[in-house]
Amino acid sequence: ETGVTQTPRHLVMGMTNKKSLKCEQHLGHNAMYWYKQSAKKPLELMFVYNFKEQTENNSVPSRFSPECPNSSHLFLHLHTLQPEDSALYLCASSQSTQGQRYGYTFGSGTRLTVV
Amino acid sequence: GQQVMQIPQYQHVQEGEDFTTYCNSSTTLSNIQWYKQRPGGHPVFLIQLVKSGEVKKQKRLTFQFGEAKKNSSLHITATQTTDVGTYFCAARFGNEKLTFGTGTRLTIIP
Repeated sequence: ETGVTQTPRHLVMGMTNKKSLKCEQHLGHNAMYWYKQSAKKPLELMFVYNFKEQTENNSVPSRFSPECPNSSHLFLHLHTLQPEDSALYLCASSQSTQGQRYGYTFGSGTRLTVV
Repeated sequence: GQQVMQIPQYQHVQEGEDFTTYCNSSTTLSNIQWYKQRPGGHPVFLIQLVKSGEVKKQKRLTFQFGEAKKNSSLHITATQTTDVGTYFCAARFGNEKLTFGTGTRLTIIP
């Protein structure tokens, strides 16, 4: 375990479904992130939360809706997704959004398939 | 936004050969980090470089940060099958968020 736990590990959903991805970190970090990783593409930053406040939304479509109730939990609510949204969704945390020494700690990811 | 170029995209080496991946930026970086992602896994933080010309070693891995803080390299000596994976650099410009490179996928021929 990395200290960042993501559930579920795998998710298959129809385009009309609503589902949520969950991320929990036990590292005492203050910043949390959602990344999308598609084949042959670099890691795409989606959202950044620092001390529960959203500090960045990287032009993500509104069918992705993040929620951060506290510094340890992060959710990504999904609705009316498209097949091109199929990807590995990674949650990460860090001590802060700036100048941390030890890098980001990533969860194991949720492999999402939209059918 | 700021970009960092990483090359090569793929590298196939015979076991025991050396491997190097490079990251380049057109602007000065505050620092650069390196991550490894095993097949089917998630990125794992390896190291952070901050100072101009800095060189750090982790066993067979050598990380360098250029004098101008615009480029960095990761060199693996005498590759082993456990080195298989994708290596990402992640650059920080000023106090901005990390910008990840496209990664170099390393495969080892036994």
